[in-house]
Amino acid sequence: GAGVSQSPSNKVTEKGKDVELRCDPISGHTALYWYRQSLGQGLEFLIYFQGNSAPDKSGLPSDRFSAERTGGSVSTLTIQRTQQEDSAVYLCASSDPGLYGYTFGSGTRLTVV
Amino acid sequence: LAKTTQPISMDSYEGQEVNITCSHNNIATNDYITWYQQFPSQGPRFIIQGYKTKVTNEVASLFIPADRKSSTLSLPRVSLSDTAVYYCLVAPRGGADGLTFGKGTHLIIQP
Repeated sequence: GAGVSQSPSNKVTEKGKDVELRCDPISGHTALYWYRQSLGQGLEFLIYFQGNSAPDKSGLPSDRFSAERTGGSVSTLTIQRTQQEDSAVYLCASSDPGLYGYTFGSGTRLTVV
Repeated sequence: LAKTTQPISMDSYEGQEVNITCSHNNIATNDYITWYQQFPSQGPRFIIQGYKTKVTNEVASLFIPADRKSSTLSLPRVSLSDTAVYYCLVAPRGGADGLTFGKGTHLIIQP
């Protein structure tokens, strides 16, 4: 696609429920990142996919968080047993190594009530 | 990963030139310096990237001294619409590692 697409744009869920957030990167981009941004804060790195290599999961805050990238394209970030502190905007970015910068999606605003 | 330090906030007025400086003392040889702009409810947007000396595009200029331990984003003749958070990022081009963003600089432009 023309840009990085994320869905849903907004998600309200009850504490303890599982949620899935989707990221559709720019076609052909081999690198994909997930970030989390709490209100008024900077971006917190979560996980990084590069081609067929094993993902860098060093930023995942707990084992309730997981992500996968199928076929080197679409990625899904799953949060199990959501907690109120999980409320944030979850941003996805993609890039093609060797090119300038990274393209971000508009994010998914997750609210856990 | 090289860490960055930026002012938390800055104020300026329409028509002025604004310079935002970022410190990155531990920058590595293969690191590039990239600046992003973020408006509320949007993802960050790429502004400019450089390795050394000066880079200029239609939006901004980026000044990098010889030791590369800092960089300055220069926005000429700002307008109200330049009010945003600006992030300085230091990483290898193409993202060999996960990107680490600081809290950025909240630039507020007043009439």
